[in-house]
Amino acid sequence: NAGVMQNPRHLVRRRGQEARLRCSPMKGHSHVYWYRQLPEEGLKFMVYLQKENIIDESGMPKERFSAEFPKEGPSILRIQQVVRGDSAAYFCASSDQGGFGANVLTFGAGSRLTVL
Amino acid sequence: AQSVTQLDSQVPVFEEAPVELRCNYSSSVSVYLFWYVQYPNQGLQLLLKYLSGSTLVESINGFEAEFNKSQTSFHLRKPSVHISDTAEYFCAVHRNSGGYQKVTFGIGTKLQVIP
Repeated sequence: NAGVMQNPRHLVRRRGQEARLRCSPMKGHSHVYWYRQLPEEGLKFMVYLQKENIIDESGMPKERFSAEFPKEGPSILRIQQVVRGDSAAYFCASSDQGGFGANVLTFGAGSRLTVL
Repeated sequence: AQSVTQLDSQVPVFEEAPVELRCNYSSSVSVYLFWYVQYPNQGLQLLLKYLSGSTLVESINGFEAEFNKSQTSFHLRKPSVHISDTAEYFCAVHRNSGGYQKVTFGIGTKLQVIP
C-alpha cells in the first residue's frame, strides 16, 4: 500500500499561470481532504470531497480555486491565475470513511507550490 | 467553532533532556485530540490521539500526552528526547460534523534537539 500519493512534489509557476495538484488516496479510501500550509502557519482546511462530490468547500477561496474527485483517477486541486500569495504547501489526506470512530486522516507528503 | 493554541512556536532542548510542548483548545462541542509530527519536507504523521477512556495516551516512540478537560489542555511530553525527534509538532482537534471529520490544527511547535 503506497499511502497517499501527491504529485508534483514541487511546482513552480509564474503569476497568471495555472497550477494543478494531484492526490491519489490510499487504496480503499474514498474520502479526500485538502489542506494548505502557509509559511509559519498551521494547516488550514480547504475542501472535503467524496467520489464525484464536493461535501464541504468552506475553506476554499471564492475565486480561482477548484477541486474535484472523479469516479476514476486522482483528486485534483486546481488554482487558476496564480498569485504570489498562493505559494504554500498543499497537503492531501484521505480516510476510508467519513465518520470518526478510530479513523484518522492519512496525509500525503505535500505539493509545494512556488509562484514567481 | 473550535480553536487550538500552541503557545510555543519553537522549543530548543538538549539531547536526553525532557520536553513539554503545550497545547490548549477551545470548542463548544465534544472533540477528539491528536498530535501529529511533520519531519522536514514530509507530510504529517499521526503521533498519538485521545478519543476516550484513559486520559494519558502514549506513542510508540516514547511521547505521551494527557487530556485535561478542566484546563482544556493536551500537552505533549517526552522524558528524554533524541536527535531524531527534531521535527514540527502539530496539535489538532477533530470533531464529527455531518458524518465527516472537521480538523482544526494549531500553528505548530518546532522542536529542535541540540546534541
